[in-house]
Order: sequence, then C-alpha cells, then structure tokens
Amino acid sequence: SQQGEEDPQALSIQEGENATMNCSYKTSINNLQWYRQNSGRGLVHLILIRSNEREKHSGRLRVTLDTSKKSSSLLITASRAADTASYFCATEKGQGKLIFGQGTELSVKP
Amino acid sequence: DGGITQSPKYLFRKEGQNVTLSCEQNLNHDAMYWYRQDPGQGLRLIYYSQIVNDFQKGDIAEGYSVSREKKESFPLTVTSAQKNPTAFYLCASRWAGGEANYGYTFGSGTRLTVV
Repeated sequence: SQQGEEDPQALSIQEGENATMNCSYKTSINNLQWYRQNSGRGLVHLILIRSNEREKHSGRLRVTLDTSKKSSSLLITASRAADTASYFCATEKGQGKLIFGQGTELSVKP
Repeated sequence: DGGITQSPKYLFRKEGQNVTLSCEQNLNHDAMYWYRQDPGQGLRLIYYSQIVNDFQKGDIAEGYSVSREKKESFPLTVTSAQKNPTAFYLCASRWAGGEANYGYTFGSGTRLTVV
C-alpha cells in the first residue's frame, strides 16, 4: 500500500526558480526521507528528517515536516537544469521498511 | 568503491520461465530490500531481509522468491507464477544499526521484459 502522496505530480519551472514539492502520509512515522531518481536509474537518497524534527537543510535543499498535518515539503532553491528528475518521499514506520509515494516529476528548463 | 550492484541491466524472459536477478553489496549493510517500479509509479516492496538467513514478504511478494545466504547477496527470482513481471526492479540496502535512521543505498536497477 502506498503511504505517501506527492503533490504536484509534475512541475515545470525555469532555471533559477525555486521548486516546492509536497508529500502527505497517513500513519505515524519514525522518519521521512526524500529521494531523487533520474530517468531509468536507481534512486539517490537526498535527506532524512526524523519525526521529532521540523526542518532540515542540505545545500540547496530544505525539508520541513509537520507531523500534526502528516505532511512534508521539499524545497529546491535556485534550481538548475541538472535538477530535472523524479522526486519521491518515503516514510519509515518500523523494521526499516520504506513506503514510497508516487513521485513528483520535476522539469527545469534552461 | 563501495556500492550495490544489480545485474543484468536488461533481462528478457519468455512466458513460463523463471529468472533470477542479482543484487550484491560491499557496504557491509545488514538489511536488503527488493522493490518493483512500474512506469510513472512509485516503488512497491517485494521482499526484505534484516539479517542473513532471514527474510520477510513485502506488499507484493506473490510470484517472487528470495534467499539471503550471504550478507552481501540478496537474489530475487521472478517465477512463472508472477503474471505481470514486466517492470523495473530495484535493490537497496541499509545499515541497520543504531537508531536505524539511515537512508537506503539503491542499485541502478534491472529492467525485466516478458517477450
């Protein structure tokens, strides 16, 4: 069963703009993670935020977590054409199992 | 370099055949996972293993089998009982120590097509 749902499903922006993707989930979690997937490739781990954290930064990435609303957002600042990829949120509830959302397809035009 | 290797990259299967997808990691990770991804979809968990000689079914285990005889290896067999096996298969691993708040490392995937 899919736990997370990303919004929007697709996002197209110009280079230099910020990109925001949202993720909602249904049950309590240990942590929430964001991954990136280039077309036809494996996923790359971007950032993990624990259930007791509210915000986390990594380079141009900013992730927020609101456990009361069961939602998270990923902000990519000053986007580049190389950021074009699909982005997935995944929630971990226990036993190390990750449940993935459907993903947001980001297109950054030069 | 440490990493996780999946082979082959592309695999073609005839109807009624069993095929095995390889997944090997040299990261000394304890836990390993198999996911299936269909076009435009997220990932669905097939099987996972927390330790050697032990594994559990995920959400879509029917028609698949696994083994975990070595820490480094977690092969997935797609059996003839899997009615719609055409998909992109992803293997992942994770160190399971401490608070277990660690991300997965993924392989580059195997694209399986039934011909």
